[in-house]
Amino acid sequence: DARVTQTPRHKVTEMGQEVTMRCQPILGHNTVFWYRQTMMQGLELLAYFRNRAPLDDSGMPKDRFSAEMPDATLATLKIQPSEPRDSAVYFCASGSGTGAYEQYFGPGTRLTVT
Amino acid sequence: GQNIDQPTEMTATEGAIVQINCTYQTSGFNGLFWYQQHAGEAPTFLSYNVLDGLEEKGRFSSFLSRSKGYSYLLLKELQMKDSASYLCAGLTNAGKSTFGDGTTLTVKP
Repeated sequence: DARVTQTPRHKVTEMGQEVTMRCQPILGHNTVFWYRQTMMQGLELLAYFRNRAPLDDSGMPKDRFSAEMPDATLATLKIQPSEPRDSAVYFCASGSGTGAYEQYFGPGTRLTVT
Repeated sequence: GQNIDQPTEMTATEGAIVQINCTYQTSGFNGLFWYQQHAGEAPTFLSYNVLDGLEEKGRFSSFLSRSKGYSYLLLKELQMKDSASYLCAGLTNAGKSTFGDGTTLTVKP
């Protein structure tokens, strides 16, 4: 049963530390999305890739966030340095085709920055 | 840019029908998603509408009017397990998706 996997599932860190979140998209999916969800802001698109190339990262604070796809089976989202306001659930989703109409979400990484 | 609006909360009775509305303003609009999200879980795909009209999938149906910038999700024969947040999301031609804040549906016995 093909699923998007994310690690870690939970992360507690102190302000100023680097955080790296990883995502393995479903094999064969060529589009990968990173979302952040909080009670206040809802689900926000941070960045997305198609065929490993970044298409849009306008939703991401560039000074501290970076997203990459080193290969087709791994997407990473880094925060350096982390701040308490970054506390949220970070979801990765993958899809196939130009429109990626159906996005399959991973279980999320719950990040708490103290 | 994109702007998605949907009601914050709705309550309905088990066995009934409920309609969740969504209005959108999206540049380069391609289509509209509906996702279901149970508390503490990831969103799961329900439907995607590109053309005007109603698409039915079991107990769930989704409608789109491109000219009015309007969509709704219709849930029939409500079950307790349908209590969840329902997210409306617009997709642009460039593949960028923007989600609404979600409608929390509570199904009561």
